Amino acid sequence: ETGVTQTPRHLVMGMTNKKSLKCEQHLGHNAMYWYKQSAKKPLELMFVYNFKEQTENNSVPSRFSPECPNSSHLFLHLHTLQPEDSALYLCASSRTDGIGEKLFFGSGTQLSVL
Amino acid sequence: KQEVTQIPAALSVPEGENLVLNCSFTDSAIYNLQWFRQDPGKGLTSLLLIQSSQREQTSGRLNASLDKSSGRSTLYIAASQPGDSATYLCAVTAGSSNTGKLIFGQGTTLQVKP
Repeated sequence: ETGVTQTPRHLVMGMTNKKSLKCEQHLGHNAMYWYKQSAKKPLELMFVYNFKEQTENNSVPSRFSPECPNSSHLFLHLHTLQPEDSALYLCASSRTDGIGEKLFFGSGTQLSVL
Repeated sequence: KQEVTQIPAALSVPEGENLVLNCSFTDSAIYNLQWFRQDPGKGLTSLLLIQSSQREQTSGRLNASLDKSSGRSTLYIAASQPGDSATYLCAVTAGSSNTGKLIFGQGTTLQVKP
């Protein structure tokens, strides 16, 4: 248990569906992240939130819409996805106000788009 | 643009062997370097973090070194065990400040045979 909880663990959706991924951290961290892990590709940073303000959008298509209502919760709203969006979506959190702060990851949501 | 490369992509060793995993990065302006472990279909677990001013970090049977000027890091695993079987990922910060944004390599998949 890393202190970062993601739900659901698995999700199958059609291209016209709307769904949301949820992430919650109990570590008192100020920064939260969404990463995408596709088969045979390195992890890709999607979004960064610092004290619930978005500080990074790594050229992510608008069909992915993040939301960070507070420093402990992070959502990724999905709509009209494509089959190539099928991947493992990982949430992470960290502190950025200190030295040597590790990233803590959730177990991920395995997404399949049909 | 920072790029991270891990060699080898896969490694299979008998139990008890000492082994070295390699990581190289193209831009030496980093804040820190982290090694993670990922089990199949799961999230990432942080193993070791080396600040840019440090040369190495140790945790149990794991030792990670950093040569920032040459853009290289190694993860040394002593007396390998079947439970060490996993994918090991190296990541560096995107830039020399503590933003928490990481650039990942593609990983080395390790199999330790009993």
